[in-house]
Amino acid sequence: AQSVTQLDSQVPVFEEAPVELRCNYSSSVSVYLFWYVQYPNQGLQLLLKYLSGSTLVKGINGFEAEFNKSQTSFHLRKPSVHISDTAEYFCAVSRMFSGGYNKLIFGAGTRLAVHP
Amino acid sequence: NAGVTQTPKFQVLKTGQSMTLQCAQDMNHEYMSWYRQDPGMGLRLIHYSVGAGITDQGEVPNGYNVSRSTTEDFPLRLLSAAPSQTSVYFCASRLAQAPYEQYFGPGTRLTVT
Repeated sequence: AQSVTQLDSQVPVFEEAPVELRCNYSSSVSVYLFWYVQYPNQGLQLLLKYLSGSTLVKGINGFEAEFNKSQTSFHLRKPSVHISDTAEYFCAVSRMFSGGYNKLIFGAGTRLAVHP
Repeated sequence: NAGVTQTPKFQVLKTGQSMTLQCAQDMNHEYMSWYRQDPGMGLRLIHYSVGAGITDQGEVPNGYNVSRSTTEDFPLRLLSAAPSQTSVYFCASRLAQAPYEQYFGPGTRLTVT
């Protein structure tokens, strides 16, 4: 069975500092990996996804993530954060469900708090 | 396009009451789904639909019913609310041929007392 572990429930960081949000997954088959962001009182928005190809994936708002198959990780990074990046970030893996439906398995989330 | 819309945004119910959470999308997406979000647990799939007239259970379907009479609408019904159903509920939709491009609604925050 596939699962997703986000290693940090909260990450405080100062503005303009770099940040890494960690995600590990378990899967015995090929995976498709995602990062979603949830701003306060809003729904989830796709930041980036890895389906195949280059292991370094660039997303919106200056975020990027690196797929590491040997370490089963998909960590999210940004070299310089802004106050507006304060949000909850979810790592997810796609899994085939009954009837051929691809469902998303989500991690528990990491709350990024950017301080001035 | 309005995207995925959900109503209401907030709701308080007493134990045993029933209600329907509404979800609509105007993108002609075949697939729609309902998730619940609980602290420390991420999002969990409740029910999903791959087209009008077709629904199936997700990970946590107990206590919830769904139907899909049109492509646009996918309501979630709580027949007899319980405090364990206090959660934030998200509706999502996508095209059948784009399994990795899922669009989420803004959510409904439900409290059952």
